[in-house]
Amino acid sequence: QQQVKQSPQSLIVQKGGISIINCAYENTAFDYFPWYQQFPGKGPALLIAIRPDVSEKKEGRFTISFNKSAKQFSLHIMDSQPGDSATYFCAAYGNKLVFGAGTILRVKS
Amino acid sequence: DADVTQTPRNRITKTGKRIMLECSQTKGHDRMYWYRQDPGLGLRLIYYSFDVKDINKGEISDGYSVSRQAQAKFSLSLESAIPNQTALYFCATSDLNRETQYFGPGTRLLVL
Repeated sequence: QQQVKQSPQSLIVQKGGISIINCAYENTAFDYFPWYQQFPGKGPALLIAIRPDVSEKKEGRFTISFNKSAKQFSLHIMDSQPGDSATYFCAAYGNKLVFGAGTILRVKS
Repeated sequence: DADVTQTPRNRITKTGKRIMLECSQTKGHDRMYWYRQDPGLGLRLIYYSFDVKDINKGEISDGYSVSRQAQAKFSLSLESAIPNQTALYFCATSDLNRETQYFGPGTRLLVL
């Protein structure tokens, strides 16, 4: 069973719009929640990460919102650009990194 | 990430063949990992190694084996390849911080 559930599987957003990807987890031992970005033909790379002691972290146009009581976290991409088109993976770390299934984002120009 | 290299980048093989995928890193990290990526399933951990003498199975180790030849080298072998091992394979490394992982460019494997 998947320990980290990610939705949607794919997402199409207009340039300038907001992209939102959601993840949920069950294991309360997870203590670190990164998001990875993967471009075609490349390996995933760390985009932004959060720890459960904060509810939000922002880096440029990318924001993680974290709801500890609901065991959910989400990635918001503001002012989405065609260059943001990629696959995004949420993940959770306890003693190993566990990945969500991924979201393919396409930003239309 | 050029600090983590994988060879080959693409491989086509036949059912029953033994193949090896290689990973090298210049990041000086002790911890190395092998994942496979399948559409709709994300990245799943095959094996991981915290140092040269430490090898651990991940969630999908059946049909795979690994060798940690040195701190910088970690190889994945498919003893007898089967078609459902067709996937994208990634090597990753991490340091003592162990939370952030750095991925190689991947090997695309097709088993006929």
